[in-house]
Amino acid sequence: QKEVEQDPGPLSVPEGAIVSLNCTYSNSAFQYFMWYRQYSRKGPELLMYTYSSGNKEDGRFTAQVDKSSKYISLFIRDSQPSDSATYLCAMGMDTGRRALTFGSGTRLQVQP
Amino acid sequence: DGGITQSPKYLFRKEGQNVTLSCEQNLNHDAMYWYRQDPGQGLRLIYYSQIVNDFQKGDIAEGYSVSREKKESFPLTVTSAQKNPTAFYLCASSRRTGGNVNYGYTFGSGTRLTVV
Repeated sequence: QKEVEQDPGPLSVPEGAIVSLNCTYSNSAFQYFMWYRQYSRKGPELLMYTYSSGNKEDGRFTAQVDKSSKYISLFIRDSQPSDSATYLCAMGMDTGRRALTFGSGTRLQVQP
Repeated sequence: DGGITQSPKYLFRKEGQNVTLSCEQNLNHDAMYWYRQDPGQGLRLIYYSQIVNDFQKGDIAEGYSVSREKKESFPLTVTSAQKNPTAFYLCASSRRTGGNVNYGYTFGSGTRLTVV
């Protein structure tokens, strides 16, 4: 079993839809939770960062962390064709390995 | 502008050859990382370094080697011992980790390595 599980998709939605992307994890030591967006043949870029549990909002993006369920989500409101990309969740810890563990990524296609 | 540069963008390797991928950053970040990306498998950690002259193996270090002689540079060598090296290689850097610190990565634009 992988430490971080993410549905690879692809997920296809119409423009303007609300998108929900999710990851589950097994390691309770994870404290940092991030979402990266990756366009084709490019390096990922950081979208959202959350420390421990809770919600964080930035424009059209909302990140949620539920540590009791070991479940994180990214919501995209009013989705745009430019949001079409692969979304990767990533997690890290304060002790032990000081490098992020990534999910496999979910490919999102927003249809105009 | 600060950033992280990977070169070359495309690299072709013959069977039995060693090749070195370059990664340079001018963000004054202490930590640097190498990941490999294969279709459907996300990013897998090869090596990482928190400070100069120190580095740790990741999940798939076999067949790879690194050095960290300068803060700005973290080259990755793909040796002939790596049996399936065709992949997209990503280098990243971050502030040194620890405590409630945002250590989000800055990624380079990647090197696509193909065995011919």
